[in-house]
Amino acid sequence: DIQMTQSPSSLSASVGDRVTITCQASQDISNYLNWYQQKPGKAPKLLIYDASNLETGVPSRFSGSGSGTDFTFTISSLQPEDIATYYCQQYDNLPRTFGPGTKVDIK
Amino acid sequence: QVQLVQSGAEVKKPGASVKVSCKASGYTFTSYGISWVRQAPGQGLEWMGWISAYNGNTNYAQKLQGRVTMTTDTSTSTAYMELRSLRSDDTAVYYCARDSTPYSSSPYWGQGTLVTVSS
Repeated sequence: DIQMTQSPSSLSASVGDRVTITCQASQDISNYLNWYQQKPGKAPKLLIYDASNLETGVPSRFSGSGSGTDFTFTISSLQPEDIATYYCQQYDNLPRTFGPGTKVDIK
Repeated sequence: QVQLVQSGAEVKKPGASVKVSCKASGYTFTSYGISWVRQAPGQGLEWMGWISAYNGNTNYAQKLQGRVTMTTDTSTSTAYMELRSLRSDDTAVYYCARDSTPYSSSPYWGQGTLVTVSS
């Protein structure tokens, strides 16, 4: 199975800050990477697919980049409603595997 | 609009089976597949497998092979996930999600079903 790692595991930032999360795959996954946002008690929400494509309706402050094994997710200006856990997920190989998540809160 | 509505919470004893349903609406059911993902309390997300609603083809996570069966009923646009020989570490929220293929993204999710395994 492809192992996904994320860093940091948690972070605190101020409203308006730029937030960056990294995700690394244990092998080349091309650009077959999703980013999901999950709020407590809710289902995950797809934000980014194919590493850098913004899902319809998702605010443009969210972005993704990378290919191969190294990926980055960015919130350009953190908003209070962005408090959540963020997961990367690869879909190049089965089983699809998720990163362990990054919990984002407000400082 | 696309909706996936899952069945209610279940409490099961170790060794029992559970069958969770996921009723789809707002799209042509047989044009997509359904993935199942679970999340143990306070833990991350685990992909369990995928089923094509078109032809019933399945892909299961190796660690669940032999214990999980995914099926669909096209007459009611409903997908099912059955997990057998339940253990305490199967306690989790189980989600269904609409996918095009096993190698794709999941933009639509059900609300989740809590399955508690306890003696």
